[in-house]
Amino acid sequence: QKEVEQNSGPLSVPEGAIASLNCTYSDRGSQSFFWYRQYSGKSPELIMFIYSNGDKEDGRFTAQLNKASQYVSLLIRDSQPSDSATYLCAVRSYNQGGKLIFGQGTELSVKP
Amino acid sequence: DGGITQSPKYLFRKEGQNVTLSCEQNLNHDAMYWYRQDPGQGLRLIYYSQIVNDFQKGDIAEGYSVSREKKESFPLTVTSAQKNPTAFYLCASSVNGLAGSYNEQFFGPGTRLTVL
Repeated sequence: QKEVEQNSGPLSVPEGAIASLNCTYSDRGSQSFFWYRQYSGKSPELIMFIYSNGDKEDGRFTAQLNKASQYVSLLIRDSQPSDSATYLCAVRSYNQGGKLIFGQGTELSVKP
Repeated sequence: DGGITQSPKYLFRKEGQNVTLSCEQNLNHDAMYWYRQDPGQGLRLIYYSQIVNDFQKGDIAEGYSVSREKKESFPLTVTSAQKNPTAFYLCASSVNGLAGSYNEQFFGPGTRLTVL
């Protein structure tokens, strides 16, 4: 089992819809969770982070964390074609010296 | 203008050559990291440094070397011992790299290395 798992996609949604990106992790010692957006050929850009169970909202983005289920998700409301990118989930665990462990990313395509 | 810079943007290496990738940050961050990304894959940690003059191996350190002589700089050398070095190399930094911290990592623009 991979430490951080994401569906590779591509996930295709129509413009204006809600895009839901999911990530599961195996280490119960994980303490902080990050979502990065990566456009093709570019470096990752941090868009959200979450530490506590529940939801965290920032504009059109909502991160959801459920530590009991070892599950973190990113919702993008009113999806735009400019949201088309690969979204990387990253998890930091105290058990691994604070390193970030990345999933392989989910490719999102928003169709006009 | 604070940030992380990496150079060069593109690098071509012949078989048997060592090459050095530059990473500089002016964010006053203590911790710096090097990752490798292969097509369709996530990031894999090569080396990281939590403080000047100290660094630790990541998950795929074989064939790579680093130094951290200054807080702002963390160069990565890809040696001839690295058998498959063609990849996208990303440098990142964070306020600190402590295990109990929550601070996020920020990335430079990356260097794309191709072996000819």
